[in-house]
Amino acid sequence: GENVEQHPSTLSVQEGDSAVIKCTYSDSASNYFPWYKQELGKRPQLIIDIRSNVGEKKDQRIAVTLNKTAKHFSLHITETQPEDSAVYFCAASKGTGFQKLVFGTGTRLLVSP
Amino acid sequence: DTAVSQTPKYLVTQMGNDKSIKCEQNLGHDTMYWYKQDSKKFLKIMFSYNNKELIINETVPNRFSPKSPDKAHLNLHINSLELGDSAVYFCASSLNMMTSGGTMYPGEQFFGPGTRLTVL
Repeated sequence: GENVEQHPSTLSVQEGDSAVIKCTYSDSASNYFPWYKQELGKRPQLIIDIRSNVGEKKDQRIAVTLNKTAKHFSLHITETQPEDSAVYFCAASKGTGFQKLVFGTGTRLLVSP
Repeated sequence: DTAVSQTPKYLVTQMGNDKSIKCEQNLGHDTMYWYKQDSKKFLKIMFSYNNKELIINETVPNRFSPKSPDKAHLNLHINSLELGDSAVYFCASSLNMMTSGGTMYPGEQFFGPGTRLTVL
């Protein structure tokens, strides 16, 4: 089955810096890659997703890139702010038939003012 | 206007007891899920129902039994609770399929607020 690895497990940056979180997946049939943000004590919420027919997607300060050949995808946050501090999860899904999201192990991002 | 709701928010109980967690979604979604998030924050899917039918059943002890009385509800019953069952349980829902240029893709999963289960 699918296996998703996520790095780093923790990431500390200064406000205004960029942050990059990387994930790799094992199943070449996976075609949907969402990113979820979970603030302390809250529910995971989708922040951006990418499908296998595109290589990059951007939404304001957040971007995701996908390299299907290498089976890598990454989350890029620019101009980080303290409110970006949270745990970020990548996930992968085949998207055919019934969706099963396999989550990465999470990255705790801390943005210091 | 809560999209996905769960009750209770907190559940503290003794080992060996039986307990239930309820989930409801008002988004008109056709697929619902139960996830377990342990103390290390790992999120693992347990079950998924599509139109009241079980479609995903991960390697979960049979002490856990999901029930979906209708498309908007997915409840989780746990028998003979053990210490290792302590975790946060999240319900989620999604529209099963979306199309983009003729390709089928899954829709966004919306999570409930979670139920923190503590087994003493």
